[in-house]
Amino acid sequence: ILNVEQSPQSLHVQEGDSTNFTCSFPSSNFYALHWYRWETAKSPEALFVMTLNGDEKKKGRISATLNTKEGYSYLYIKGSQPEDSATYLCALNFGNEKLTFGTGTRLTIIP
Amino acid sequence: GAGVSQSPSNKVTEKGKDVELRCDPISGHTALYWYRQSLGQGLEFLIYFQGNSAPDKSGLPSDRFSAERTGGSVSTLTIQRTQQEDSAVYLCASSPDRGRYEQFFGPGTRLTVL
Repeated sequence: ILNVEQSPQSLHVQEGDSTNFTCSFPSSNFYALHWYRWETAKSPEALFVMTLNGDEKKKGRISATLNTKEGYSYLYIKGSQPEDSATYLCALNFGNEKLTFGTGTRLTIIP
Repeated sequence: GAGVSQSPSNKVTEKGKDVELRCDPISGHTALYWYRQSLGQGLEFLIYFQGNSAPDKSGLPSDRFSAERTGGSVSTLTIQRTQQEDSAVYLCASSPDRGRYEQFFGPGTRLTVL
């Protein structure tokens, strides 16, 4: 069984503060790592697809890093805003087509 | 353009009834996936289609679950003789091709089995 672990499970952050959370995975047989944002009653939205060790992606205030050798990825949010409140999902392709998901980090921004 | 759509958005059924869930992928996307999220669980893979073929059905939890895809487009997930443990949000996703591409998700169908 290939487990994808995300931590913390939930997080409350004051508006304007920066935050980060972690995705950990077995480092072998790794093809790609995906980060998704899932707001309540909406479709999961892709943030990043990462494939290379040392890969770093950025979209506005959100960025992600990937360390395939040690098996982790960090997602960073700078200057949190209320619209950042969502569940953030990490998912991996382990050599096949399907995505194996973590259980997510539920982020709540406190105004 | 139009995203992935799913219907119905909510379905309440009685234990033992059959249900059909529909997914309309993004036009031209050859790969289609079904996932579900049960209460307190992460998203789990059910089945993957490439065109109309299903090379990976490994996530279907029992033989009460089946899925088909026609015309390389619409897919239907059928659950026969529903059980309470089938209650979950069922999500469909499509992608331009197989592999490490981004998967585009629909809004899901929330299934409640009473």
